[in-house]
Amino acid sequence: EVQLVESGGGLVKPGGSLRLSCAASGFTFSSYSMNWVRQAPGKGLEWVSSISSSSSYIYYADSVKGRFTISRDNAKNSLYLQMNSLRAEDTAVYYCARVQLERLRGAFDIWGQGTMVTVSS
Amino acid sequence: EIVMTQSPATLSVSPGERATLSCRASQSVSSNLAWYQQKPGQAPRLLIYGASTRATGIPARFSGSGSGTEFTLTISSLQSEDFAVYYCQQYNNWPPLYSFGQGTKLEIK
Repeated sequence: EVQLVESGGGLVKPGGSLRLSCAASGFTFSSYSMNWVRQAPGKGLEWVSSISSSSSYIYYADSVKGRFTISRDNAKNSLYLQMNSLRAEDTAVYYCARVQLERLRGAFDIWGQGTMVTVSS
Repeated sequence: EIVMTQSPATLSVSPGERATLSCRASQSVSSNLAWYQQKPGQAPRLLIYGASTRATGIPARFSGSGSGTEFTLTISSLQSEDFAVYYCQQYNNWPPLYSFGQGTKLEIK
């Protein structure tokens, strides 16, 4: 079964750091570009960051640039999001999502169940 | 940045009727447009990609159309399980700076 499972969410104080992980299974992880997408409570979807299959191309939304770092370990079938200098407005469910068809860009055909990040003092 | 605008924000439709959801892009995205369905407490699910191609396992009552800046998602005969929030997303940019619409909530009339 093709699956993505996020972990690492939790409660953190403003200015703090957190590292999210996304474990992939059931497909050749190293062939796919991956993304992080977040959803604040009661709000819509916001794309956060993307990384190509070999980590050659990495992009961020302006809202997180300079604070978040996306990475992957293809040997471990895992995607990561290092989040520093966290703010209250970063509070959201964070999803990892796969780009379909082994392309650099495209629709997101597989999503994890999400992990909640709460930034509060 | 490409801004995606969905309308209406909320759509009330009776089961068995047709629902038509709209998505507009602030500049052309060609056919690089996807639609997602999200139910409460669940992750989004891909319905349509390439503006009109149904994803694997998506029922034929879901159809997408449009290109350039104007797109439509049509659900031909609403089932109870179709009541959810729907998002459009463009993936035309290079570099891939994706953007989503704000969502349309489809509710039971």
